[in-house]
Amino acid sequence: NAGVMQNPRHLVRRRGQEARLRCSPMKGHSHVYWYRQLPEEGLKFMVYLQKENIIDESGMPKERFSAEFPKEGPSILRIQQVVRGDSAAYFCASSIEVAGVRYTQYFGPGTRLTVL
Amino acid sequence: AQSVAQPEDQVNVAEGNPLTVKCTYSVSGNPYLFWYVQYPNRGLQFLLKYITGDNLVKGSYGFEAEFNKSQTSFHLKKPSALVSDSALYFCAVRFILTGGGNKLTFGTGTQLKVEL
Repeated sequence: NAGVMQNPRHLVRRRGQEARLRCSPMKGHSHVYWYRQLPEEGLKFMVYLQKENIIDESGMPKERFSAEFPKEGPSILRIQQVVRGDSAAYFCASSIEVAGVRYTQYFGPGTRLTVL
Repeated sequence: AQSVAQPEDQVNVAEGNPLTVKCTYSVSGNPYLFWYVQYPNRGLQFLLKYITGDNLVKGSYGFEAEFNKSQTSFHLKKPSALVSDSALYFCAVRFILTGGGNKLTFGTGTQLKVEL
């Protein structure tokens, strides 16, 4: 059973460009979470999604950032008009929910975004 | 607000000696606590969790953690450290989101260095 997959692993963008980060959850997992890790800091929650729904985006910047988890395909974290401060490692995690119980989150290897 | 604190940025220990990585928490209600490990340029790997029950939780790679409600602590321990245990360790507490799901609030991380 493959783990959480993220691609690309490394992404370099110039200021003003768009960054698209992809996350494929573990098989059978319908909950996806995105976290950001700034240099020398811990992980910070950004957004929680289920299939076709954003459940909580309280940790996501109001502008330039968006996330989706379509019925088919991976979850996408999109950053428009990137700035140098967006340089960070972005991690995706997934979990299952059975009978109302939400299980452990398992993390992908992350995408390291560098904005030049 | 729910939070965890890792008071030590770095812990150094000799191989074969016991190790402890400290974590204290602040939550309302019953805490759901987790330990994750991050190797360089890798994602987070789940080590163990405390939900309820026995205060001593055993996890992967010989690690264990002791939940202490009176001291609001959840320290990670291993009886005999290995050089390969050298990594960044994160303590986290689960916060239930409005509308379901959960997010993890992470500590700032503790760098463990095990030397020969």
